[in-house]
Amino acid sequence: NAGVTQTPKFQVLKTGQSMTLQCAQDMNHEYMSWYRQDPGMGLRLIHYSVGAGITDQGEVPNGYNVSRSTTEDFPLRLLSAAPSQTSVYFCASRLILNTGELFFGEGSRLTVL
Amino acid sequence: AQSVTQPDIHITVSEGASLELRCNYSYGATPYLFWYVQSPGQGLQLLLKYFSGDTLVQGIKGFEAEFKRSQSSFNLRKPSVHWSDAAEYFCAVGAAGNNDMRFGAGTRLTVKP
Repeated sequence: NAGVTQTPKFQVLKTGQSMTLQCAQDMNHEYMSWYRQDPGMGLRLIHYSVGAGITDQGEVPNGYNVSRSTTEDFPLRLLSAAPSQTSVYFCASRLILNTGELFFGEGSRLTVL
Repeated sequence: AQSVTQPDIHITVSEGASLELRCNYSYGATPYLFWYVQSPGQGLQLLLKYFSGDTLVQGIKGFEAEFKRSQSSFNLRKPSVHWSDAAEYFCAVGAAGNNDMRFGAGTRLTVKP
């Protein structure tokens, strides 16, 4: 049971570099989302998608891009990394008709120097 | 937008003692309420959820929570804490048709032997 898989688990970037955090789920969930977790801030929603070709912004979308070309994959792109984007990123998914349980990946720790 | 407050950043209890973690929410409509647990280096796992009906809900690992609309609260309880319960706990609020689930800042639980 793979569930939600995130790669990479750890990444160090220099300011201005770009990278993509990958997220894949094998549960046929329509809804997928990206959160960032910072100390004392809890989890904050960056972007989400309710199906292939449909994405929308969450609470903290600036500096991040997403796309959803398939049901399974929802990559998060940082076009020009900044130290403020140092964080732990979580991908989560659920069935669209279930406003309930989110299934989370194990997280990706990103450090921007 | 909805919001969640977890007043306690860190709680320490002795093994075998009872536990109550506080959660207050702000939301104009009927909320969906959740408690998640995060073990170190892991993603989040759902403990329990409230959508409607009985205001006392049971979850996994012996946890329960009570929804009190008059107090806008959804406190998590456990009668006897085990050392394996040491983790970070997050309260979250969502709603039907709302794709923006908001999380509290989390409460870190330490269990003393």
